[in-house]
Amino acid sequence: QKEVEQNSGPLSVPEGAIASLNCTYSDRGSQSFFWYRQYSGKSPELIMFIYSNGDKEDGRFTAQLNKASQYVSLLIRDSQPSDSATYLCAVRSGYALNFGKGTSLLVTP
Amino acid sequence: ETGVTQTPRHLVMGMTNKKSLKCEQHLGHNAMYWYKQSAKKPLELMFVYSLEERVENNSVPSRFSPECPNSSHLFLHLHTLQPEDSALYLCASSQDRGSSYNEQFFGPGTRLTVL
Repeated sequence: QKEVEQNSGPLSVPEGAIASLNCTYSDRGSQSFFWYRQYSGKSPELIMFIYSNGDKEDGRFTAQLNKASQYVSLLIRDSQPSDSATYLCAVRSGYALNFGKGTSLLVTP
Repeated sequence: ETGVTQTPRHLVMGMTNKKSLKCEQHLGHNAMYWYKQSAKKPLELMFVYSLEERVENNSVPSRFSPECPNSSHLFLHLHTLQPEDSALYLCASSQDRGSSYNEQFFGPGTRLTVL
């Protein structure tokens, strides 16, 4: 069973702070990693992907990947109330995406 | 808008009904997917189609029957469903299912309730 683990939260951070979301995965052969944001009642929206070890930055978002530790994270700088959502980590194994249950983020004004 | 549309957005059906969910992608992608999202559970991959050929079927009950007439359209035919099948059904597409690096884009989903 190829598992993707996330802390379900909720993770509560004040507006303007850095939110740190974490994900671990079991399949050591995984090649690519994705972060999706899902607002309540909506479908997942792709916000970041990362394939290589290290950091990848896109605006206020930074994805970090450590394949040796089988760990991927998402940092959100200058968090805004509009960032409040569930963040899904997805790990590609073959042609399937395996998803975690998601971490609920609440950014308080 | 991701370029993937789904209809209907909401569906209520009895256990003896037959209905179909429709998905259409306008992105020129070659692969399409059906996922099920239930409360408190991760997204579950149901079916994968690549160039109209079904390439994965994750032990889904036969009361769910997919159809992919061309690379832009995907259907999920439903019959004699159970209340536990109530969930959000999501369609996604990607450029090429064979590449490890292609991203999947989701449609808005169909919220299904089985009475």
